[in-house]
Amino acid sequence: DIKMTQSSDMAASVGDRITITCRASQSISNYLNWYQQLPGKAPKLLIFAASTLQSGVPSRFSGSGSGTDFTLTISGLQPEDFATYYCQQSHSSPPTFGGGTKIEIK
Amino acid sequence: EQLVESGGGVVQPGGSLSLSCAASGFTFNSFGMHWVRQAPGKGLEWVAFIRNDGTTKLYSESVRGRFSISRDNSKNTLSLKMSNLRPEDTAVYFCAAFAGSYVGINYYYYMDVWGEGTAVTVSS
Repeated sequence: DIKMTQSSDMAASVGDRITITCRASQSISNYLNWYQQLPGKAPKLLIFAASTLQSGVPSRFSGSGSGTDFTLTISGLQPEDFATYYCQQSHSSPPTFGGGTKIEIK
Repeated sequence: EQLVESGGGVVQPGGSLSLSCAASGFTFNSFGMHWVRQAPGKGLEWVAFIRNDGTTKLYSESVRGRFSISRDNSKNTLSLKMSNLRPEDTAVYFCAAFAGSYVGINYYYYMDVWGEGTAVTVSS
């Protein structure tokens, strides 16, 4: 199985620009999705194909990367963005998730 | 587009439980479906997948042989039958629709619509 490793939890302030990293244990090209999960809620798809924004997702979210290294950037954190973010590879079965990165209020 | 899970509860180790996921607002029989679970305070773990026509079923190693995924396209319903349950199966179970899009010439899959989850506790 492909192992996905995310960067550690972090604290940030409203308005900050933050970057979350995700590394795959082998090359997955750009078959990488990002999800946001608010406490007690279901995950919500933000980005697929590493950098394509899902419809309705604010443009302050962006994704990049290819191969094994990926990033999710939030430019100008908003109060509703404090959540846990997960990467997930869709390159091969089984689909695997990173461990999650929690963004907390500083 | 909505998915609503039901059937969660408390069960003893070794027991069985059956979860359901009711779909509405989209063409259920066009989409593969996943079950994903989340243990308390932990991350997301993929559990099982079924193709839109039910011909292909896949399971994680941790549940293979104990869980069974199925669907009834006439009732827009997804099911997960769980047997020989273990304490480590304690989690919130989400169903999710498997969608995809072309970006350039490549097709990319993702879990698009999610239910709010149903909680399963395995404890004596």
